[in-house]
Amino acid sequence: GQQLNQSPQSMFIQEGEDVSMNCTSSSIFNTWLWYKQEPGEGPVLLIALYKAGELTSNGRLTAQFGITRKDSFLNISASIPSDVGIYFCAGRRGAQKLVFGQGTRLTINP
Amino acid sequence: NAGVTQTPKFQVLKTGQSMTLQCAQDMNHEYMSWYRQDPGMGLRLIHYSVGAGITDQGEVPNGYNVSRSTTEDFPLRLLSAAPSQTSVYFCASSYGTELYEQYFGPGTRLTVT
Repeated sequence: GQQLNQSPQSMFIQEGEDVSMNCTSSSIFNTWLWYKQEPGEGPVLLIALYKAGELTSNGRLTAQFGITRKDSFLNISASIPSDVGIYFCAGRRGAQKLVFGQGTRLTINP
Repeated sequence: NAGVTQTPKFQVLKTGQSMTLQCAQDMNHEYMSWYRQDPGMGLRLIHYSVGAGITDQGEVPNGYNVSRSTTEDFPLRLLSAAPSQTSVYFCASSYGTELYEQYFGPGTRLTVT
């Protein structure tokens, strides 16, 4: 099936640092979604992107739908301990089902 | 609203045993789906349903059955468990199709020995 490559797989940062992660595909997508999963919980939607070039913020989180429609980026500014978790990207092409990336595990040192 | 609930939270099965993972939502969502999550693999769609009485296969349907007799419930059945089915299973629902925001349950961690 379609694959999304998400990087990095894990990040270890200091509290207060900014975080960047991305998701790439060999196929064009028309929707990009970013989810966060905390231990023992299901993923929760953070940001949804529907148009190439779209830049959307949710508090300290900002996500962008790449111009080529083959990638998306998530940035977290001024990280805090509650940002810890696994972040997933997901993409959809046409009427096909969502495809998820492998996840980026974020660890924050206080 | 309880949202999406899943039971059990943990389960250990022996190879060949059968069991049903329960999923229920109280948001009157039409669309429900089952995913499995494996390390380094992200979430993969097993089966989904666009409404009561309608189900369809996802990316990895083999070894699993589903039914949707009511809007609220979407159970996932493992007919003969295999070690390859050791995983964390998530149920999700959304208002319309999955174009709308999907709400995920807390997951069921299944181990097959």
